[in-house]
Amino acid sequence: NAGVTQTPKFRVLKTGQSMTLLCAQDMNHEYMYWYRQDPGMGLRLIHYSVGEGTTAKGEVPDGYNVSRLKKQNFLLGLESAAPSQTSVYFCASSKRQATYEQYFGPGTRLTVT
Amino acid sequence: GQSLEQPSEVTAVEGAIVQINCTYQTSGFYGLSWYQQHDGGAPTFLSYNALDGLEETGRFSSFLSRSDSYGYLLLQELQMKDSASYFCAVSPSSGGSYIPTFGRGTSLIVHP
Repeated sequence: NAGVTQTPKFRVLKTGQSMTLLCAQDMNHEYMYWYRQDPGMGLRLIHYSVGEGTTAKGEVPDGYNVSRLKKQNFLLGLESAAPSQTSVYFCASSKRQATYEQYFGPGTRLTVT
Repeated sequence: GQSLEQPSEVTAVEGAIVQINCTYQTSGFYGLSWYQQHDGGAPTFLSYNALDGLEETGRFSSFLSRSDSYGYLLLQELQMKDSASYFCAVSPSSGGSYIPTFGRGTSLIVHP
């Protein structure tokens, strides 16, 4: 099993550009999450999904959109990137019955200039 | 809402025992989790306490006291490879949400 994978690993964007981060998991987990991690701020939840076709806002959703068309995939979109969105983005997944144990992807390091 | 407090940094020497504390303010939650993250890596799950008391997993133990709104991660026989950041997280029980909230993390530095 590959676990949780993220594409791409690194990306540099100019302000105003758009992009989509892809997360895939092969563990048949119901729940999936997108976090951003900034120095000294820990992990902050952007959006999450409790199942295929469902999404919900987390702590810091502004400027991001998500979609969960297939159970194994969770996409994070930035429609108009801003320098404040420079961060490391982590995707995670968990079983519905065990949300306390999340499996994280390797992360995407995004820089917006 | 939920608020978790952790020390920002803890230092210790190889072979020693270190305790990383986590205090929280939340109206209710299912349990307390701990994650480890090495520099440049992804967080990995370490342990979970659903009930008060001590959970032991090899060199690592985790403790929870709901009455004191307090938990800790205990690392024994420290090794250099234990140098990492450690995060506590709670899964809130109010409103049926199962979404964890993470603390800001504690950077553990192990010296030879």
